[in-house]
Amino acid sequence: GAVVSQHPSRVICKSGTSVKIECRSLDFQATTMFWYRQFPKKSLMLMATSNEGSKATYEQGVEKDKFLINHASLTLSTLTVTSAHPEDSSFYICSAPGGNTEAFFGQGTRLTVV
Amino acid sequence: GENVEQHPSTLSVQEGDSAVIKCTYSDSASNYFPWYKQELGKRPQLIIDIRSNVGEKKDQRIAVTLNKTAKHFSLHITETQPEDSAVYFCAASLGLGGNQFYFGTGTSLTVIP
Repeated sequence: GAVVSQHPSRVICKSGTSVKIECRSLDFQATTMFWYRQFPKKSLMLMATSNEGSKATYEQGVEKDKFLINHASLTLSTLTVTSAHPEDSSFYICSAPGGNTEAFFGQGTRLTVV
Repeated sequence: GENVEQHPSTLSVQEGDSAVIKCTYSDSASNYFPWYKQELGKRPQLIIDIRSNVGEKKDQRIAVTLNKTAKHFSLHITETQPEDSAVYFCAASLGLGGNQFYFGTGTSLTVIP
């Protein structure tokens, strides 16, 4: 099946710094990618839809200035957590649609803000 | 938007018994319902899915049923094994290429040997 690669898998950063997470579709093109956030023992919460060549669409309650999304090419979407705070610590995971309905997930990024 | 609810949040069964997880959704336009298994710190893995033109689908020990009128769907695992222990998520989407998924709250399944 299709492969989505997410990097880094783990990152620790200091409060106030920014962190960039990359999501790449390795063997297919993705005009759309999705970013989710998952708290420990909780569900995946859709944060935003990343659209190649246009602005991302954010879910209600997600701060777009806090979570910057850039879909620079047909194979790369990035999520930048700006001015990170401890409450931003979470598991972030991207996905890209493949074929008709299936979604292919990245490996996820464990962000810890200290 | 779509709202997916999932029950129970935790489930413990004896090895060999069956496990059933239920989900409801709110948007009648949703027509694709996948189930994912997620192990700690790893990406979700698709285990089975169903489309709204089908009422039931089975794959070995795993089956999914869908009641579109009532807007609920269920995952059934028979002859459970310890390796089935994980967190299971249901999801709903419009089922078109590029559509986002809305996930249920998850069920932590423990199969007791």
